[in-house]
Amino acid sequence: GAVVSQHPSWVICKSGTSVKIECRSLDFQATTMFWYRQFPKQSLMLMATSNEGSKATYEQGVEKDKFLINHASLTLSTLTVTSAHPEDSSFYICSQQTGVGNTEAFFGQGTRLTVV
Amino acid sequence: GQNIDQPTEMTATEGAIVQINCTYQTSGFNGLFWYQQHAGEAPTFLSYNVLDGLEEKGRFSSFLSRSKGYSYLLLKELQMKDSASYLCAVRGASGGSYIPTFGRGTSLIVHP
Repeated sequence: GAVVSQHPSWVICKSGTSVKIECRSLDFQATTMFWYRQFPKQSLMLMATSNEGSKATYEQGVEKDKFLINHASLTLSTLTVTSAHPEDSSFYICSQQTGVGNTEAFFGQGTRLTVV
Repeated sequence: GQNIDQPTEMTATEGAIVQINCTYQTSGFNGLFWYQQHAGEAPTFLSYNVLDGLEEKGRFSSFLSRSKGYSYLLLKELQMKDSASYLCAVRGASGGSYIPTFGRGTSLIVHP
């Protein structure tokens, strides 16, 4: 199956700074990557869909100017949390999903972001 | 929209059998997934159902009833390492989207 590598696995940053999270597809050219956020004991909430070479599609309620997504190549998508605040502290996960038949989602390792 | 409901937490004894239920309401249906997620890690795929019935895979089985909007994940011969959160995810058919919606997960605690 597809292998998705996400980096960093955890990061602590000061309030007001920006953090970049990378998600790489290691054995599959991913034209689409999905970004999720998960708060403790909550479900995975889709934040945005990243499309190679075009603008990302954001879910309702997600600020596109705060969560910048770049998908410049078929193997790399990045999520930048700008001007981070403590309420942005969460677990961020990227995923590849082809959506065909019984193909499941392949997830990155996730990034634990703590804003202090 | 989609609504997925599963119990928040369950406990079971090592070696026993446990059934985790999931009910859903969706606009269209195009498959149901179960994932296992250990704390601080990404979810890993367990099973997929799109037709009614039981799918068995080793110690894990998953059942689906589309008419009832119901699924369960059955774990047999429980091991301590099975302590994790189990996520039910449903792929609807709204607008051609193939992105599944995840439930909140059921935290399973296996004790000796």
